[in-house]
Amino acid sequence: SQQGEEDPQALSIQEGENATMNCSYKTSINNLQWYRQNSGRGLVHLILIRSNEREKHSGRLRVTLDTSKKSSSLLITASRAADTASYFCATLYSGAGSYQLTFGKGTKLSVIP
Amino acid sequence: GAVVSQHPSRVICKSGTSVKIECRSLDFQATTMFWYRQFPKKSLMLMATSNEGSKATYEQGVEKDKFLINHASLTLSTLTVTSAHPEDSSFYICSARVQGVSTGELFFGEGSRLTVL
Repeated sequence: SQQGEEDPQALSIQEGENATMNCSYKTSINNLQWYRQNSGRGLVHLILIRSNEREKHSGRLRVTLDTSKKSSSLLITASRAADTASYFCATLYSGAGSYQLTFGKGTKLSVIP
Repeated sequence: GAVVSQHPSRVICKSGTSVKIECRSLDFQATTMFWYRQFPKKSLMLMATSNEGSKATYEQGVEKDKFLINHASLTLSTLTVTSAHPEDSSFYICSARVQGVSTGELFFGEGSRLTVL
C-alpha cells in the first residue's frame, strides 16, 4: 500500500503561530495533494505538487516534496482560528489506464484564538 | 472551482431499509466518480470507483450487492445502501474528477451522514 501517513496525528497551536504537518508515502507517485476537511464536511482541495517539483506556495500555504525520502510537508503560516480542521495528504499514481488517489490518516489541527 | 453536490446530507433510517445517496457534478462532466466511507476520526476509505456507462469497480472487502452504485450520466452517480444495518452507519463522501484534466485533483461533495437505527 502506498497510503500516506501524516504526522503528527494531532496538533494544537496558538493563533499566529506556524503549523507544520508531514506526510510520508511508500511508492512512486505522479503528484501529491493536500486536502482540508472541516468537521462533518467534505474535503476541499488545497494544493497539488507534482513529482518533479520540490516546493510550491499558495497564499499562506507552503508545500515541499522530497521524492528521495518519499515525504512531503505542509506549512501553514500565521495560523488563524479558521484554519482549525483536519488535513489529509493524498498521493496520486496514474498510468496505463489506472488512477489511484490514496489518502493518509490526516492531521487534526486546532488553532487556539 | 468545480462543484459537487451530494444529497441528502443527513439521513436516518430503520434497519432493513434501503437508502440512496446522490452525487452530482454541477458545472462539469465527470466520467469517473469515487465513493468513500469515513469512520469517526479516521481517514477516507475508498469503497468503489464509479464509471459512467459501465459497472463500478469495488475495492476489496466492499460488498457490491450491499452498496449498489449507478453512474447513469456524466453528472450523476448514486450509491444505494441496501438492507441497511446499524453497522452501515457512517459518513459517506463522493468525489469526482474533471473530465480531461490529468492532474487528478478531486472535488468532493459535502458528505452524507447515515444513521441506521
